[in-house]
Formats: sequence, C-alpha cells, structure tokens
Amino acid sequence: DSGVTQTPKHLITATGQRVTLRCSPRSGDLSVYWYQQSLDQGLQFLIQYYNGEERAKGNILERFSAQQFPDLHSELNLSSLELGDSALYFCASSASGGSTGELFFGEGSRLTVL
Amino acid sequence: GDSVVQTEGQVLPSEGDSLIVNCSYETTQYPSLFWYVQYPGEGPQLHLKAMKANDKGRNKGFEAMYRKETTSFHLEKDSVQESDSAVYFCALIPNASGGSYIPTFGRGTSLIVHP
Repeated sequence: DSGVTQTPKHLITATGQRVTLRCSPRSGDLSVYWYQQSLDQGLQFLIQYYNGEERAKGNILERFSAQQFPDLHSELNLSSLELGDSALYFCASSASGGSTGELFFGEGSRLTVL
Repeated sequence: GDSVVQTEGQVLPSEGDSLIVNCSYETTQYPSLFWYVQYPGEGPQLHLKAMKANDKGRNKGFEAMYRKETTSFHLEKDSVQESDSAVYFCALIPNASGGSYIPTFGRGTSLIVHP
C-alpha cells in the first residue's frame, strides 16, 4: 500500500462527457503528480502541483484541468471526452518537489470512453 | 527534451535465466536514474536508483549501473524468478531542473518469467 488513494477505480462513460478523478496523497506529501498510462504511450506526465500551486505542466490537453486543494487532495477534470482518452490515470505524490526521485503511485483510475 | 528508450515489448525468460533489460537515456542535464516496477493491478513503485555516474542501484537481486559514457542504465539479474514478472520502467530526473523534478519514463518492458 503506497498510501496514495485514488477514486474511482473504474469509470465508464460516453464521448462528450466530463469526469472528475480524485486523489488523496500520502500523509504529509506536498507534491501531487498526474500521469496517463496507455498501451502505446507508456507513462505520460500530465501535470504537477506543489502545496496548492501548479509547478509543472506536461502533455496535458486543454480539455483537461487539475487543481490541488488546501487539504492537499487533488482532482483531475477531463471534459469533452473522446475515445482516445480511454486510459489508466495515475496520481502520485512525493514528500518535497520529488528531488529524491521517489514518487508514490496510487492504484490508478481506469477510464473507458465508449 | 529528455528521453528514455528501453527494451520494448515483452521479455520471456524461464525461471533461473539471466536477464538484461536495456535502457538508454538522452538529456542535456546531469540526471539521476531509476527503475520502477509495476505489478498487475498496482501503480508503479520505485525499484532501484542511482544518483550519479558509476553508482550501482541494487534491489532484490537486480542491479543497474549508471554509465555516463554510454548514457545507459541497463537492468540486470543473474537468475530471475516467477515472482519477478511485472512491467519495468526506466526513468530519469534531470538534476538541474529548476526545482521541478519530473521523472521521464520509458515505455515499459513487460517481464514474464515462465516456471
């Protein structure tokens, strides 16, 4: 158990819809990262938050947005969903900015867009 | 930008075989190097790391040597076990990243060890 909690574990929705994925980081971790995992692309970095503020942005589509709340949990919002958005979405956390390289990943939220 | 290239697809050794999973990296910064492992139904977890050139990361019989001259960090094990079956990701973090340490991952190598 990594200590990172993600909900929901599975989500099935239709094209054009909007979903919200939720992440609770390990107790005390200030950094939260979101990754997308698909079969052909591996682990793609989407966005990082540190203590409530956006720290770094990766290949995140404009249809996607995220935020980190004062209690440090984070949400990833995916809108106008397309078939190609079907993937496993991971949240990870780290104690500081991640300088040690050790990220703690949740079990992921599997999104299926029909 | 930074990139990591590793052995693609599946590797299918038998129990007791030796293993090498190749990993090569490209970055303009001096990186730290990592192997993450992902077991079925779980998220990736740190497997081993090497923070500077000529360091060797070790864990559960696996080793990887940080070779700056060949920009490589190959994962090796003398004798694999069925319980080693998982997906392995090579990753780098550039050390001079302005305070934002974002791992760049390779595409993953699926290790399936046959009994």
